[in-house]
Amino acid sequence: DTAVSQTPKYLVTQMGNDKSIKCEQNLGHDTMYWYKQDSKKFLKIMFSYNNKELIINETVPNRFSPKSPDKAHLNLHINSLELGDSAVYFCASSQAWGQGISPLHFGNGTRLTVT
Amino acid sequence: KQEVTQIPAALSVPEGENLVLNCSFTDSAIYNLQWFRQDPGKGLTSLLLIQSSQREQTSGRLNASLDKSSGRSTLYIAASQPGDSATYLCAVEGDSSYKLIFGSGTRLLVRP
Repeated sequence: DTAVSQTPKYLVTQMGNDKSIKCEQNLGHDTMYWYKQDSKKFLKIMFSYNNKELIINETVPNRFSPKSPDKAHLNLHINSLELGDSAVYFCASSQAWGQGISPLHFGNGTRLTVT
Repeated sequence: KQEVTQIPAALSVPEGENLVLNCSFTDSAIYNLQWFRQDPGKGLTSLLLIQSSQREQTSGRLNASLDKSSGRSTLYIAASQPGDSATYLCAVEGDSSYKLIFGSGTRLLVRP
């Protein structure tokens, strides 16, 4: 199936730990994103990569570090997890960046719970 | 700073009813406006994308309109079905930032 897939679906961990979320898209898209959806369901962009280059880096603590080994993959590593990091993290991709014509395709999300 | 607002926050209608979801945005300098559907525990599914030069887009029972000058969009759902129950989000892409800014969504329940 062509899709945006992210793993794991659920992640429960303790404060202070380091964890990673992986994302892969096989749609042939050039641009990938990480979004965070908080408890009030607000979706906010965190990062965007276009052809492996970082193009959007919102005001996110530097404990969050994205890595794009190739344009089909965008992983998110989080150091020293805090309670406030609990949220659902969505990966997304689009065909191109900055052209206003390509809709976003989302993964099913990773629900991170920090205890 | 772009802000996107969706009204109502929640809506419950009987099956078969036609309904309208509203979205407003504060900065009219947009590339496009997108409507998404989110089912519980799932990601977002793109429904319609309206480019800034367009006034509306249609897909099946869905019709989305865009009035850039007034900063408004509506999503019209005809003959609603229980399967339409989901949260509907609108988002605008800024024409200089290229960032997609989301509203908080309208939670729709279509009762059989």
